[in-house]
Amino acid sequence: EDQVTQSPEALRLQEGESSSLNCSYTVSGLRGLFWYRQDPGKGPEFLFTLYSAGEEKEKERLKATLTKKESFLHITAPKPEDSATYLCAVSPSNDYKLSFGAGTTVTVRA
Amino acid sequence: DARVTQTPRHKVTEMGQEVTMRCQPILGHNTVFWYRQTMMQGLELLAYFRNRAPLDDSGMPKDRFSAEMPDATLATLKIQPSEPRDSAVYFCASVPSTGATSETQYFGPGTRLLVL
Repeated sequence: EDQVTQSPEALRLQEGESSSLNCSYTVSGLRGLFWYRQDPGKGPEFLFTLYSAGEEKEKERLKATLTKKESFLHITAPKPEDSATYLCAVSPSNDYKLSFGAGTTVTVRA
Repeated sequence: DARVTQTPRHKVTEMGQEVTMRCQPILGHNTVFWYRQTMMQGLELLAYFRNRAPLDDSGMPKDRFSAEMPDATLATLKIQPSEPRDSAVYFCASVPSTGATSETQYFGPGTRLLVL
């Protein structure tokens, strides 16, 4: 069974204080690892897809990296608007299914 | 800006009542997913369809839940009878119809259900 574990559960940062979120996973043949952002009262919003170990993707202050067992989401010099819950999900090969982690709730204080 | 839409956004009902949630996928998307999100369990896949045919509904309690896709622009999730433990946010997501398994799922805003 596919499993995704995210840590920490919650992260409180000062504006400008860079940090990383971890997503460790076990899956039967990785099709893709997905990062989503979710704001309170809204649906998950797609950020990145990573397909193979060593791959990296960036968007504004966010950078996602992937190894064979885990992924990191690095937040560089965060701003209050980066406050959200960040969800990691994996999809096994030849299937559309996503298995989600519990998420990391990030709070950035001005 | 194409988006997945869901109705109703909020629903309060009493135990035993039927609940119907609707989803309109992004035009041209042929794969539709239903998820449930709770504080305890997080996001769980309930069922999904491709080209309106059910592919997997193993995550769904079959005795009370049913999911259908009457046409390419509408997916429905019904609960009958509803129970307090069904209280959750229900999300619909859709995927483009390119056929590539690498496609991203795009989520709707969710239906927040409270069963009293």
